[in-house]
Amino acid sequence: EAAVTQSPRNKVTVTGGNVTLSCRQTNSHNYMYWYRQDTGHGLRLIHYSYGAGNLQIGDVPDGYKATRTTQEDFFLLLELASPSQTSLYFCASSDDRDYEQYFGPGTRLTVL
Amino acid sequence: GEQVEQRPPHLSVREGDSAVIICTYTDPNSYYFFWYKQEPGAGLQLLMKVFSSTEINEGQGFTVLLNKKDKQLSLNLTAAHPGDSAVYFCAVRNRGSALGRLHFGAGTQLIVIP
Repeated sequence: EAAVTQSPRNKVTVTGGNVTLSCRQTNSHNYMYWYRQDTGHGLRLIHYSYGAGNLQIGDVPDGYKATRTTQEDFFLLLELASPSQTSLYFCASSDDRDYEQYFGPGTRLTVL
Repeated sequence: GEQVEQRPPHLSVREGDSAVIICTYTDPNSYYFFWYKQEPGAGLQLLMKVFSSTEINEGQGFTVLLNKKDKQLSLNLTAAHPGDSAVYFCAVRNRGSALGRLHFGAGTQLIVIP
């Protein structure tokens, strides 16, 4: 069974705070993705990666950094959090056979 | 680049009625198509995937139709029940997409009234 886990599941921080969201997949997938989900916008791609050390910029990268330390682990970093980054964040992974993406359960981030 | 439009954004039906969600894409080189279901408080779960031909796929109480001529993908719930209440997303992959990217529709919030 494909598995993508995220931590924390909920996070509250203040404006200017430093936040790291973690994602781990045990699917042996090469591709990993970070999305944010907001009402009226659907899923928007922040960053993605093809493997350890590889990073690609998505559609809404401003204010976010990402790091892929291993094939399993992908992190999203908010170094100076702002209220506009309050959102539901999803991580996903896929392979290069049919590109089906497997999603984690999400992290709800609130920036006060 | 690829544009995926999904409609309607909100849909409310009574239990036992049918419900149809439609996605229209722009890139004729699109070749993998997906429907995902997101239940409250959860991540997206794959409902069905279809590939590069006009086809109908049938699952548990739903039908997916891919019409490549019109660049349209549809999800038809034949007799909705309250457990179908969720947000549904279509997703499209095309040959020009970098590194496994999928292009998602904006989602449809389906409410099934008992």
